Amino acid sequence: GAVVSQHPSRVICKSGTSVKIECRSLDFQATTMFWYRQFPKQSLMLMATSNEGSKATYEQGVEKDKFLINHASLTLSTLTVTSAHPEDSSFYICSANTVKQSTDTQYFGPGTRLTVL
Amino acid sequence: QKEVEQNSGPLSVPEGAIASLNCTYSDRGSQSFFWYRQYSGKSPELIMFIYSNGDKEDGRFTAQLNKASQYVSLLIRDSQPSDSATYLCAVKAYSGAGSYQLTFGKGTKLSVIP
Repeated sequence: GAVVSQHPSRVICKSGTSVKIECRSLDFQATTMFWYRQFPKQSLMLMATSNEGSKATYEQGVEKDKFLINHASLTLSTLTVTSAHPEDSSFYICSANTVKQSTDTQYFGPGTRLTVL
Repeated sequence: QKEVEQNSGPLSVPEGAIASLNCTYSDRGSQSFFWYRQYSGKSPELIMFIYSNGDKEDGRFTAQLNKASQYVSLLIRDSQPSDSATYLCAVKAYSGAGSYQLTFGKGTKLSVIP
């Protein structure tokens, strides 16, 4: 299957700081990338859909000024959590569509575990 | 509001048995259906996808889709302890403006007992 990487895999930061998470598609071009958040024992919740070269589309209840998404190329999308607070601590996962297959399957990155102290 | 429902479990089966995981969805316009496996602390891993009514087999896994009943299932034959994980059902439907959205169920936790 297609490979999606994320960096960093784990980050601990102080309340009020900003954290940037990178998502890369390694062996395919991803016109669309998705950002999810998963709290313990909860399901994946879509935060936003990121299309290359355009503004991200945010799901209801997700603050676009707090969660900044940039999708500058077909292989890279970034999520910046600005002024992070302890309630932002979660598992953040990106995924990307591969356009080379007719199945249009989403492949997930390994995730980034954010802990805000 | 698109909904995907799964029994949260845990579902416990003995090693070598067949595990049956079920999922229902609310949006009749849904077009494709995916099963992901998620180990604790890890991100989801795609197991199978299915688009058409009927069965689709891949190794020990069989996905079954019944669009009339809005029901999709995953059978795992000869279950192994390494199959113990949370299984997520995901449904893709058109969300407007030329894009599609994947909606996840909350997952079913499977435990395979040696």
